[in-house]
Amino acid sequence: GENVEQHPSTLSVQEGDSAVIKCTYSDSASNYFPWYKQELGKRPQLIIDIRSNVGEKKDQRIAVTLNKTAKHFSLHITETQPEDSAVYFCAATGRRALTFGSGTRLQVQP
Amino acid sequence: SAVISQKPSRDICQRGTSLTIQCQVDSQVTMMFWYRQQPGQSLTLIATANQGSEATYESGFVIDKFPISRPNLTFSTLTVSNMSPEDSSIYLCSVEGDRGQKLFFGSGTQLSVL
Repeated sequence: GENVEQHPSTLSVQEGDSAVIKCTYSDSASNYFPWYKQELGKRPQLIIDIRSNVGEKKDQRIAVTLNKTAKHFSLHITETQPEDSAVYFCAATGRRALTFGSGTRLQVQP
Repeated sequence: SAVISQKPSRDICQRGTSLTIQCQVDSQVTMMFWYRQQPGQSLTLIATANQGSEATYESGFVIDKFPISRPNLTFSTLTVSNMSPEDSSIYLCSVEGDRGQKLFFGSGTQLSVL
C-alpha cells in the first residue's frame, strides 16, 4: 500500500517568512495529492490539492509542487501570518482512500 | 463541498462499553470513510463504507471491534465496541467530493475512555 512521509514534524517561522513542508510517497500509481490544515480542536480542512498531470499549483499565498519522477511534493506558504499556525497534513491516493503523512506543526511567530 | 454532520461531538465512556457515532451527509455519496486520529497523531483509515455491501477494513481494524452500518447513500454509523483507554481518539467520517478523491471531513467525535 501507499506510504507517505512528511517533514519536518515541527516548523517555526517569523511572520512574513516563507514555510515549506515536504512529503514523499511510495506508490507510483498515486495521482492525487491534497494538503489539509487542522487547527486545534477542529476538523482537517482541504487547502490545496494537485493532480499528477500538473507540476505546480498556486492559490494566493499557498502553492504546491509535484515531482512525479522523484515521488515527492511540497507545500509552500509565503508571507506567513499568525493565523497560518496549525498542523498541516499531506496525503496521497491513487486507487484507494487517502493515505496521510504524519503532520507538520507550523508555528508562525508574530 | 458536502455538508457532513457528525454526532456526538464528544463523549466520555467507561471501559467495556460501546459507542455509536453517526454521520449524516446532505447529498448522496457512494463511499464514506471512517478515520481515527489518536492524540497528536495523523489520520488513519479504519474502513470504507459502501452502501449495500460490507465495509472494507484496513489492516489492524476488524469488524467485531468497529462495526459499521451504511443503510443508505447519506448516512453511516461507526460503533467502537468494548472500549478501552487505547480507543481514546478523534473519530472522523469523510466523503469524497463530486469529482472523486477530494475528501471532506465531518466535525469529528472526541472520544475519551476511562
